[in-house]
Amino acid sequence: GQSLEQPSEVTAVEGAIVQINCTYQTSGFYGLSWYQQHDGGAPTFLSYNALDGLEETGRFSSFLSRSDSYGYLLLQELQMKDSASYFCAVRDRSNAGNMLTFGGGTRLMVKP
Amino acid sequence: DADVTQTPRNRITKTGKRIMLECSQTKGHDRMYWYRQDPGLGLRLIYYSFDVKDINKGEISDGYSVSRQAQAKFSLSLESAIPNQTALYFCATAREETQYFGPGTRLLVL
Repeated sequence: GQSLEQPSEVTAVEGAIVQINCTYQTSGFYGLSWYQQHDGGAPTFLSYNALDGLEETGRFSSFLSRSDSYGYLLLQELQMKDSASYFCAVRDRSNAGNMLTFGGGTRLMVKP
Repeated sequence: DADVTQTPRNRITKTGKRIMLECSQTKGHDRMYWYRQDPGLGLRLIYYSFDVKDINKGEISDGYSVSRQAQAKFSLSLESAIPNQTALYFCATAREETQYFGPGTRLLVL
């Protein structure tokens, strides 16, 4: 099966940089995704990494190291609206990689 | 208009009742999923469907059933609701590596 670990909570101040780590164990890794969920809202897709390295999308970047079974989400120039839960999710080779297994989520609190 | 819709948005029911949660999508995606979310446990997969004729159990399918009536519709049923099925339920569609979630149904089983 698959398992993912990420911190349960992270606190940072507005304007700062924060990194949310995710380690995973899977029998057939395909890729690592990140989703954002505001309180009361639905998860929304942020990024997907299938290859090693850093992918940048605006203020958000996502990194993957397949050899270390590790990835992170980097949020720069934090804004109050970034306060949300962030989930990493593994896409594995079962069923042609069409399923995701989610971590428990990291609650990010951005303070003024 | 939302691409993935769920009805009802909130539901209170009693133990032993049968209820159905409905999901519709206008994205034209073949792949659809049902998840439940409990505090601190992330999203757990209940059932998934890759097309109208393909239904598969997920991690936590016991006590649930599904019906894929059409490409656009995927319903989740609780045959005999129990209190530990109180949770937030999400429907999702997928294209390539991206999943698109509906707004969720908050279910309370008394």
